[in-house]
Amino acid sequence: DAGVTQSPTHLIKTRGQQVTLRCSPKSGHDTVSWYQQALGQGPQFIFQYYEEEERQRGNFPDRFSGHQFPNYSSELNVNALLLGDSALYLCASSRVTGGSYNSPLHFGNGTRLTVT
Amino acid sequence: GQQLNQSPQSMFIQEGEDVSMNCTSSSIFNTWLWYKQEPGEGPVLLIALYKAGELTSNGRLTAQFGITRKDSFLNISASIPSDVGIYFCAGETGANNLFFGTGTRLTVIP
Repeated sequence: DAGVTQSPTHLIKTRGQQVTLRCSPKSGHDTVSWYQQALGQGPQFIFQYYEEEERQRGNFPDRFSGHQFPNYSSELNVNALLLGDSALYLCASSRVTGGSYNSPLHFGNGTRLTVT
Repeated sequence: GQQLNQSPQSMFIQEGEDVSMNCTSSSIFNTWLWYKQEPGEGPVLLIALYKAGELTSNGRLTAQFGITRKDSFLNISASIPSDVGIYFCAGETGANNLFFGTGTRLTVIP
């Protein structure tokens, strides 16, 4: 039973470019959340997708956008990259257990993005 | 916004010793979680706490949800070398919307 898988594992981009990161959730999960983890810090919530729509969003600019596909996989897009966007981007999945509740998050191993 | 402070920032302990770390918040959370992260990997869930005052164990790990809902602690008994890593507390606001602490880096000396 595969856990959360992310691709690519590493990526180097130049300031101003755009990037797309991909995530496949754990089998049986229907909700995908994205987190940004800067070096030496805890992860920060970017947004969450459920039923192909953004359900919650953290304090990140509109340059960060996402998508969820019918098979529950998800993409994170970042436009107009800044040096400060360099970080580990973590995808996490869960399943809705009823109402507004979800099972605890299972994290992937992340995509390390370096912006030069 | 919410701030979660973890202490200590780092710990160096001898194998076999017990470990205690805690997390305090400026805000109330309805759920507290503890994660462990090793180099090159994502965080792995250790313990989830859903009720104020709750004390939960997972093997050698024990965690408690503070009565005020603004704090939590994690204890590890009889540490072993594979306990090495960074331990994060997290408070949950919306479903899976987690605020993570600053982390405690644990080093176990054999």
